[in-house]
Formats: sequence, structure tokens, C-alpha cells
Amino acid sequence: QTVVTQEPSFSVSPGGTVTLTCGLRSGSVSKSNYASWFRQTPGQAPHTLIHSTNTRPSGVPDRFSGSILGNKAALTITGAQADDESDYYCLLYVGSGICVFGGGTKVTVL
Amino acid sequence: EVQLVESGGDLVQPGRSLRLSCLTSGFTFGDYAMSWVRQAPGKGLEWLGFIRSKAYGGTTEYAASVKGRFTISRDDSKSIAYVQLNSLKTEDTGVYFCIRGAVPVDYWGQGTLVTVSS
Repeated sequence: QTVVTQEPSFSVSPGGTVTLTCGLRSGSVSKSNYASWFRQTPGQAPHTLIHSTNTRPSGVPDRFSGSILGNKAALTITGAQADDESDYYCLLYVGSGICVFGGGTKVTVL
Repeated sequence: EVQLVESGGDLVQPGRSLRLSCLTSGFTFGDYAMSWVRQAPGKGLEWLGFIRSKAYGGTTEYAASVKGRFTISRDDSKSIAYVQLNSLKTEDTGVYFCIRGAVPVDYWGQGTLVTVSS
């Protein structure tokens, strides 16, 4: 069973920068995993921040960027704002038509 | 404006079945794969599977945890995606979301709540 790893939590200061990562317990993440990132606030549906590793859908601020860092996918939030306080999930394509979510990262802005 | 609206969530007993619908608008439904994801109360997101567009055969893929019990289908004439949930278990309780696309996904619906309890 494929396991996708994310940091359980992260703290960032207002105006600061935070980088969340998304890895595979066994193996490295590459562009072939088409990493996507989603943000979810309590009681709301998730929405897409990044897909295909580093593509921002229209309407997503450029404070959010995606990349591959080492052997993981990464989401960087620059100029953190209070309303960036959310849960962030990554989704990886792991082959054979299958995708797997990470467990999510709870980001606190303080 | 792209919109996805799920419906069909309900309280059902274990072992029963339920069909969820995802009514879409604002885009050419037949051009897109459609995915389903769920979220148990207080837990993270779980990918369930997707159906390809007819141009790619309209075939389906499923997570191992639901393969054989859940079936995703589509009606391009109505711009609706479905997921049939069979042999429901208490651990199937959660909010079910439909999403446009597969790899990648973009727009999400607001979700519909399925509660499996006796």
C-alpha cells in the first residue's frame, strides 16, 4: 500500500514563508506523480491551489507555488496571511490509474 | 461559472446501498474525467476513484479500499457523475465530494454527507 507523507503541522509568522512537503514512504516524488495541493478550512470543501507539480489554477494567488524539492513535492506559501490558516493536503498519482492523498498538514499563522 | 453540486447523501443502515449524484454546469462535461473523494468526520481526504471521459474509453479506476463495492458512472447527456455505494459499512460515513478531472483535478463540489449507522 502506497503511503504519502506530510508534516502533521507547521507554524508560520504573518508575512513569513513556509514550505510544506509531500513525500512517498517508499521512493521519490517526481513530476510523473503530478502532485496537487489543496487547502481546506473547517466545514468547507477543499479547493485546488496547485496541480501538476507547479501549475496554479486561475484565481490562485502567486503567493502559492509548487515545486519538487529533493525527493518530495513542495508547496511554498510566501507572505503568509491570517486566512492561510488551514489544512493543506497533497495528492499524488502513483501509477496504474491510482491516486493517494497525504494525511494533511495543519498550518497555523501566529 | 463551473459548478458541481453533489446530492443523495443520507442516513442508511449498514449493508444497504446509496447512489450519490454530482450535477455539473459551466463546462463541457463530456470532455472531462470526474473523480470522487471522501472525508470521514475529523479525518483527512481519501481518494476513491474516477471515471475517464468517453474519449478515453469512459473506464474507471478505484482505490483498493472501495474496489468491488463502489461504482462510478456518468451520464454525459445530463452532465452528471454518479457513485454507487454498495454494502455500506459504518466506516464509509463521511462527506463525499466530486471533483472535475482526474490527473489533474481542479473544481470541487461542496460535498454530500453519508451516515452509515444502525
